[in-house]
Amino acid sequence: EAGVAQSPRYKIIEKRQSVAFWCNPISGHATLYWYQQILGQGPKLLIQFQNNGVVDDSQLPKDRFSAERLKGVDSTLKIQPAKLEDSAVYLCASSSGGGSQPQHFGDGTRLSIL
Amino acid sequence: KQEVTQIPAALSVPEGENLVLNCSFTDSAIYNLQWFRQDPGKGLTSLLLIQSSQREQTSGRLNASLDKSSGRSTLYIAASQPGDSATYLCAVMTGSGYALNFGKGTSLLVTP
Repeated sequence: EAGVAQSPRYKIIEKRQSVAFWCNPISGHATLYWYQQILGQGPKLLIQFQNNGVVDDSQLPKDRFSAERLKGVDSTLKIQPAKLEDSAVYLCASSSGGGSQPQHFGDGTRLSIL
Repeated sequence: KQEVTQIPAALSVPEGENLVLNCSFTDSAIYNLQWFRQDPGKGLTSLLLIQSSQREQTSGRLNASLDKSSGRSTLYIAASQPGDSATYLCAVMTGSGYALNFGKGTSLLVTP
């Protein structure tokens, strides 16, 4: 089975610019997560989707971050405008749902803000 | 708010040693606990998942235990190899959305 796909793998932008990341979850997985991993830290949940609806976005900085999951499959995460503290790895994960199912992670997008 | 702590932050051992990584969490109301491996520049690879009703899980040279009441888990790696060098992350699944709360990880170096 194909894993979680993310693109791009790397992105370098200047502060105040905008950037977008794309995620394609494992086929059939209804739940999709975006995590932010700052260097030396564990991943932190930004937003969670169930199909195309938002379940939890309480830790998403909504003044600059936005995310969508149209048609309940692929998802995009956008940052506009970017700040220096947004430099991190952005990980996408998917799950078939429920408390007994594991989350499967993509390789992430490494974002550097200059 | 769930807090997950991993000790030690870094560990260096010679090849062949058995080792233990520790994870603690503050809220015992969890669905499961997962141990992940992260190689530099890569995503997370799931190693073991322990359901809240289970006490341990084993996969090859890896054994993970869970004591939910005391908020502790250990990952035991037998006969360590240089290929085991990576960062190991512990995460607990909590809340109605089944999101994961992660520790900061233990960076493991196994020297030949």
